[in-house]
Amino acid sequence: GDSVTQMEGPVTLSEEAFLTINCTYTATGYPSLFWYVQYPGEGLQLLLKATKADDKGSNKGFEATYRKETTSFHLEKGSVQVSDSAVYFCALSTPHGSSNTGKLIFGQGTTLQVKP
Amino acid sequence: GAVVSQHPSRVICKSGTSVKIECRSLDFQATTMFWYRQFPKQSLMLMATSNEGSKATYEQGVEKDKFLINHASLTLSTLTVTSAHPEDSSFYICSPGGGSYNEQFFGPGTRLTVL
Repeated sequence: GDSVTQMEGPVTLSEEAFLTINCTYTATGYPSLFWYVQYPGEGLQLLLKATKADDKGSNKGFEATYRKETTSFHLEKGSVQVSDSAVYFCALSTPHGSSNTGKLIFGQGTTLQVKP
Repeated sequence: GAVVSQHPSRVICKSGTSVKIECRSLDFQATTMFWYRQFPKQSLMLMATSNEGSKATYEQGVEKDKFLINHASLTLSTLTVTSAHPEDSSFYICSPGGGSYNEQFFGPGTRLTVL
């Protein structure tokens, strides 16, 4: 079945360091890919997404490119801040019926800790 | 984006009791509702998918008689954990679907602790 694999955490970085969180997927068909972020005590929030191969999603300085050839969707940020400390989930979605939205399959999550 | 609420946000109950969790999509009609469970330091796992007015479809390994889902209207779905046990302690999250938005939104979650 479909699955998502993320690098294990926690990832600990100093402020202004470069961030990469690896994500690879296995899926039949052509899924949409997402990165969600969960700040302490809060619900999941969509960070960015890409719906087809070679698309680049970007938001708040984060970006990820949908690489079909390597089945990857790695998350990157050039300079992290303390406020980026959170748990990051990579996910894929396949359409549900005629809806644009569907059930999501999540990776195990990667905790990012940014120290001042 | 869409506004999704869950109630209660936190509940502590004794083993053997039943707990009902409500999920409301406040500004769009959710023809579909996804219920997820998140154990501490683990990922979200889909439990079941419900369509408004019909029975829910449960993922493998999820007991339908233990986790009762009702999706009677386009703005409200409920998850009832029946005869809860400590191993049911988890974070339950709803996610409505089927609106005109092209992304999935999530409720803030309900933390269930069974003593």
